[in-house]
Amino acid sequence: DAKTTQPNSMESNEEEPVHLPCNHSTISGTDYIHWYRQLPSQGPEYVIHGLTSNVNNRMASLAIAEDRKSSTLILHRATLRDAAVYYCILRGGTYNTDKLIFGTGTRLQVFP
Amino acid sequence: DAGVIQSPRHEVTEMGQEVTLRCKPISGHNSLFWYRQTMMRGLELLIYFNNNVPIDDSGMPEDRFSAKMPNASFSTLKIQPSEPRDSAVYFCASRQDRSYGYTFGSGTRLTVV
Repeated sequence: DAKTTQPNSMESNEEEPVHLPCNHSTISGTDYIHWYRQLPSQGPEYVIHGLTSNVNNRMASLAIAEDRKSSTLILHRATLRDAAVYYCILRGGTYNTDKLIFGTGTRLQVFP
Repeated sequence: DAGVIQSPRHEVTEMGQEVTLRCKPISGHNSLFWYRQTMMRGLELLIYFNNNVPIDDSGMPEDRFSAKMPNASFSTLKIQPSEPRDSAVYFCASRQDRSYGYTFGSGTRLTVV
């Protein structure tokens, strides 16, 4: 399985942008890059996903490197509610391998 | 939509007892996943079903664990007999085939004493 590498932790101040990096140098051509986050005492929740092009939604933006070996999740203005563990996950393959495998993620702290 | 519903939210049981965790996926979702989360091992995929059929149970730790999905709206994860090392938060998730997002439940916190 292609793996991802993320920093263990990051810090931000409220209302500042946050860039969460993810390296996935062994990504295959059919792997989608997914981001989930887990707020304290809750289950993971979907944030965003992409294949090759940058993506935006109401929660965040996803910037994907041209060679697809790395990506960055961008929170444009961090709020206290964004404090969570953020997981970068590769998802793809065939029907039988289409499952989410979580790594250790990045714990984001947001300070007032 | 009420989302993925798990019960109970908390379970405390004595070592050796049988434990049954329950999950109701979102209506219309045809894949269901059971995960376990501990501080030491993080989030681990235990088993997943597609159209009520188990597809991959390679993450089930041992024979004490079993999972069933008798119909599209209900799944159980059973541990018999339970051991203290089974203490963890167990999450259920569901999704529509090939859709982008998994929806997770709020989890069941299991404590085996």
